[in-house]
Amino acid sequence: GAGVSQSPSNKVTEKGKDVELRCDPISGHTALYWYRQSLGQGLEFLIYFQGNSAPDKSGLPSDRFSAERTGGSVSTLTIQRTQQEDSAVYLCASSLEGGNGYTFGSGTRLTVV
Amino acid sequence: GQQLNQSPQSMFIQEGEDVSMNCTSSSIFNTWLWYKQDPGEGPVLLIALYKAGELTSNGRLTAQFGITRKDSFLNISASIPSDVGIYFCAGQPTLGNTPLVFGKGTRLSVIA
Repeated sequence: GAGVSQSPSNKVTEKGKDVELRCDPISGHTALYWYRQSLGQGLEFLIYFQGNSAPDKSGLPSDRFSAERTGGSVSTLTIQRTQQEDSAVYLCASSLEGGNGYTFGSGTRLTVV
Repeated sequence: GQQLNQSPQSMFIQEGEDVSMNCTSSSIFNTWLWYKQDPGEGPVLLIALYKAGELTSNGRLTAQFGITRKDSFLNISASIPSDVGIYFCAGQPTLGNTPLVFGKGTRLSVIA
């Protein structure tokens, strides 16, 4: 597609449930990033995929968070046993290999009640 | 990890005024970028800076990559209502192909 597409745009879930957030990057972009934006905070890096290399998971806040990228394209961020502090906007971005001009999606606003 | 200190946190200005915001770090960054985020959207790239001392303009926006490689500023001249939003600085650390580090943002409000 023309841009980075994220779904769902909004998600309300009960504490303790698992959620999956999806990201469709720009076709041809080999790099894909997940960031988290909490209220009043900047963008917190979560995980980075580059081509077929092992992902950089150094930003994942706990083992409840995981992500995969299938076929070098679509990525899914999974949060298990959600907690209220997981409430945030989850942003996905993609770029050309080695490029830092990220294109962001509109994000998924996650609310854990 | 590396952090970017962005200031001010928020600004209220009159339409037509000039705006200045900046980012500093204790670490050297290889690249500095400035993004703008509108409500309900993801950040959009405004300006990218690749060399120490570089001064780049994009319409009413001007940004500079500090000589020490530890800071950058963004100026907006003659602000208009559509300039409202959150402005983020971002930097790429010098260590290889690493993800961007973002500041906490400057929330700009323009009073007509």
